[in-house]
Amino acid sequence: GAVVSQHPSRVICKSGTSVKIECRSLDFQATTMFWYRQFPKQSLMLMATSNEGSKATYEQGVEKDKFLINHASLTLSTLTVTSAHPEDSSFYICSAFAPGQGGPGANVLTFGAGSRLTVL
Amino acid sequence: AQSVTQPDIHITVSEGASLELRCNYSYGATPYLFWYVQSPGQGLQLLLKYFSGDTLVQGIKGFEAEFKRSQSSFNLRKPSVHWSDAAEYFCAVGAGTGFQKLVFGTGTRLLVSP
Repeated sequence: GAVVSQHPSRVICKSGTSVKIECRSLDFQATTMFWYRQFPKQSLMLMATSNEGSKATYEQGVEKDKFLINHASLTLSTLTVTSAHPEDSSFYICSAFAPGQGGPGANVLTFGAGSRLTVL
Repeated sequence: AQSVTQPDIHITVSEGASLELRCNYSYGATPYLFWYVQSPGQGLQLLLKYFSGDTLVQGIKGFEAEFKRSQSSFNLRKPSVHWSDAAEYFCAVGAGTGFQKLVFGTGTRLLVSP
C-alpha cells in the first residue's frame, strides 16, 4: 500500500533556530501534499496545500514567512519552521495525494506518522 | 463553512462490546465523509469513506458507518471491539471542490477495558 514517511519524527530545538521537516511519498508520486498542525487533544488543522512545482497555498491565519513549504519534486515536500519559538511547539502531519484510478496512493490521502516539534 | 462535530471526547467500551462513535457535519452540498484512526507513532489510517450511493459503508477492521442526510450524521460502528481498537478516531468532511482538503473533527479517544 501507499506509504508516506515523515522525518524527523521528533525534534527539539532552541528558540530562534529553524527546523526542517520532510515528507516523502515512498511508493507513489504525489501531485499534492498537505501540511497539518495538531495541538494536544485537538483536531488536525490544515496549514497549507502544496502542489509540485508551484507555491503553496496557505490557510487563513497561517504565517507563510514562518512556515516555509517547498514541494520541489513529486515525492518530497518540506516544511521549514523559521525562527522557531515555544508557541510553535506542536505535532506536524503531512498527507499526500495522487490522482488516478490505480496503484498505491491513487485517489486517496495517505498520511505520514507526524513530527513532534519541541522548541525550548 | 464546513465543520465536523464529534461530541464524545472519550469513550470506554468493554472488549467484545459494540461501539458507536458519533459524528455530525455541516456542509451545504453532498459531503465526502471519512473516518480515520490514529494510533500513537503512526499516521492516520483511513477506515472508510462515503462519496455517494449506498449509505451504509463498510470499512477495514470490521468497521462500518452510516450516512444519514436528515440528521447530518456519519456515525462509526463496530459490533465487537478488540483491545487493539484503542486509538483516536477522527471524522472528516471533504472541503472545497474535491475531497482532498479535509476538515477534521476534534476526535474521540476510544479506551477498551478488559
